[in-house]
Amino acid sequence: GEDVEQSLFLSVREGDSSVINCTYTDSSSTYLYWYKQEPGAGLQLLTYIFSNMDMKQDQRLTVLLNKKDKHLSLRIADTQTGDSAIYFCAESIGYGNKLVFGAGTILRVKS
Amino acid sequence: DTAVSQTPKYLVTQMGNDKSIKCEQNLGHDTMYWYKQDSKKFLKIMFSYNNKELIINETVPNRFSPKSPDKAHLNLHINSLELGDSAVYFCASSQFHTDSSTGYTFGSGTRLTVV
Repeated sequence: GEDVEQSLFLSVREGDSSVINCTYTDSSSTYLYWYKQEPGAGLQLLTYIFSNMDMKQDQRLTVLLNKKDKHLSLRIADTQTGDSAIYFCAESIGYGNKLVFGAGTILRVKS
Repeated sequence: DTAVSQTPKYLVTQMGNDKSIKCEQNLGHDTMYWYKQDSKKFLKIMFSYNNKELIINETVPNRFSPKSPDKAHLNLHINSLELGDSAVYFCASSQFHTDSSTGYTFGSGTRLTVV
């Protein structure tokens, strides 16, 4: 089936780490993605991970993948107020490279 | 130079009208998509075209008709607009590959309000 679930809201203080979690259902997904959406804007690709990897680090971002549990997480180190946005987890499914998105996690960073 | 551009950015129209949204990409991608984002921010794919050929057509009312005159353009025409069509419509593009790491590049969206 096609289903991606995320927690809906996360509030952190500036300078803390943020961890956004996601679970997905399609075990055949080759790539999993994290997108960021700021108010009134489109979606910006933040990072992705290939399904045979456990972890990927990209500057302040760390993606962890537990393929057995179909669990994906995004850690943002030293969270800044500019990180406040909606974060979407997505998996790539089947022919046509269709992306199935989670409902998005609203990250609010308090100064 | 905008990579994926959509017009118009805002569209307010009455129920029953017909309207079109246009999308163009200058990335040289061969695949384009339309996604609908509802008021709860949930994103769902509607259509995808690869080299002008329709490859994904989700369960979308046939009032919605996509058209791809060439691989750089994908337009969306909506007939007999209904209140429930109010949403933000996103166009996106990618380079088609079964195992693509590039994800999509999204346009900034068209906010459609049906009154």
